[in-house]
Amino acid sequence: QSVLTQPPSVSAAPGQRVTISCSGSSFNIGKNYISWYQQLPGTAPKLLIYDNNKRPSGIPDRFSGSKSGTSATLGITGLQTGDEADYYCGTWDSSVSAGGIFGTGTKVTVL
Amino acid sequence: QVQLQESGPGLVKPSQTLSLTCTLSGASITSDPYYWSWVRQPAGKGLEWVGRVHTRGNTNYNPSLKSRVTISLDTSRDQFSLNLSSVTAADTAVYYCARGSYGRKDFYYYYYMDVWGKGTTVTVSS
Repeated sequence: QSVLTQPPSVSAAPGQRVTISCSGSSFNIGKNYISWYQQLPGTAPKLLIYDNNKRPSGIPDRFSGSKSGTSATLGITGLQTGDEADYYCGTWDSSVSAGGIFGTGTKVTVL
Repeated sequence: QVQLQESGPGLVKPSQTLSLTCTLSGASITSDPYYWSWVRQPAGKGLEWVGRVHTRGNTNYNPSLKSRVTISLDTSRDQFSLNLSSVTAADTAVYYCARGSYGRKDFYYYYYMDVWGKGTTVTVSS
């Protein structure tokens, strides 16, 4: 099954901005909406972004999402120590091997 | 408040069947057209989608696990279950259940999971 490619890690100082890329194909990102999940250490994933750029209730607007072609990006502004976590993109893959797929995950470190 | 809770054995012997149940509270499992999903995560690794069952009972599975996976609903108990047969050490992971929304709009499909259980650790070992 396909997998979405993310950078293993990104880092920045508190208050700065980071972006996380998610690269896929015409069968997944190119064809379907993207979601993003935050996984704090030792906890379950939490939905951050859905439908490419929508935030569920309670998610601050410091988190934003965008999509272009077969890639997507998660942005985090005003970085806080509490943002230190693993972040995953996810979507539906519409290829022959149809199913849900996730990105490889990115560790965000606040310096 | 909608909540999900996984339950089941924490230790399974190789070649046996892993069986987990996810219990929904705060809503009825048939009240809305969701896809009730399972996701797993080996220690130190990323998320892997296992499969899902729709409120109406139809299922989709990860192609790499399809021959061994069964996901089913028990609407009378507001539960859904995962059975994974012929397990090996590679199936050792934290297993999460989640509520999935899926559909199509503007020519694109959406699929995201907005409610997650806390996860349960399953170890495959003799």
